[in-house]
Amino acid sequence: NAGVTQTPKFQVLKTGQSMTLQCAQDMNHNSMYWYRQDPGMGLRLIYYSASEGTTDKGEVPNGYNVSRLNKREFSLRLESAAPSQTSVYFCASSEGGTVYGYTFGSGTRLTVV
Amino acid sequence: RKEVEQDPGPFNVPEGATVAFNCTYSNSASQSFFWYRQDCRKEPKLLMSVYSSGNEDGRFTAQLNRASQYISLLIRDSKLSDSATYLCAVSLYSSASKIIFGSGTRLSIRP
Repeated sequence: NAGVTQTPKFQVLKTGQSMTLQCAQDMNHNSMYWYRQDPGMGLRLIYYSASEGTTDKGEVPNGYNVSRLNKREFSLRLESAAPSQTSVYFCASSEGGTVYGYTFGSGTRLTVV
Repeated sequence: RKEVEQDPGPFNVPEGATVAFNCTYSNSASQSFFWYRQDCRKEPKLLMSVYSSGNEDGRFTAQLNRASQYISLLIRDSKLSDSATYLCAVSLYSSASKIIFGSGTRLSIRP
């Protein structure tokens, strides 16, 4: 029972490096999301995809890009990592609409030095 | 003003106690409400959705007060395993399913 799978679980980057965080869900959900969680800030929405083929900015999109590769996969790319992007990143998916809430992946802990 | 606000706590209560915490939201057009539980260094997990009439799931009761724009969570007969951070979450139904989370309330149950 995989649910939402995120890779990698941990990553250390140097300032200016790029990387892609991967997310895949096996629940046939339409909507997928990327959040970051910082101490005292709660979860903040970076980007979301309401359905396959669409993506939209959330609250904190600067410095990130996303790709909804297919219904299952939604990736987050950092083109030029900065120390301010040190955070825990969570991918989530939902049935569509908000009534059922989200299912989250286990997170990626990213440190940018 | 934050869109969703919670008292960060920590709430430190003895096992068996009843504890309640509130969460306020700023947008009166909000349509969907949730409580999530997050254990240390883990992902949030849906605890319960909150319905207009209030709802109960075992020892947990959630209430919605639209007039005052807050939701509440009551935990009865608290267990050590209830120690976690509780995240309030709110969504505008028409806003493409985006959920806005509060910063969370830390709860610690002591023996």
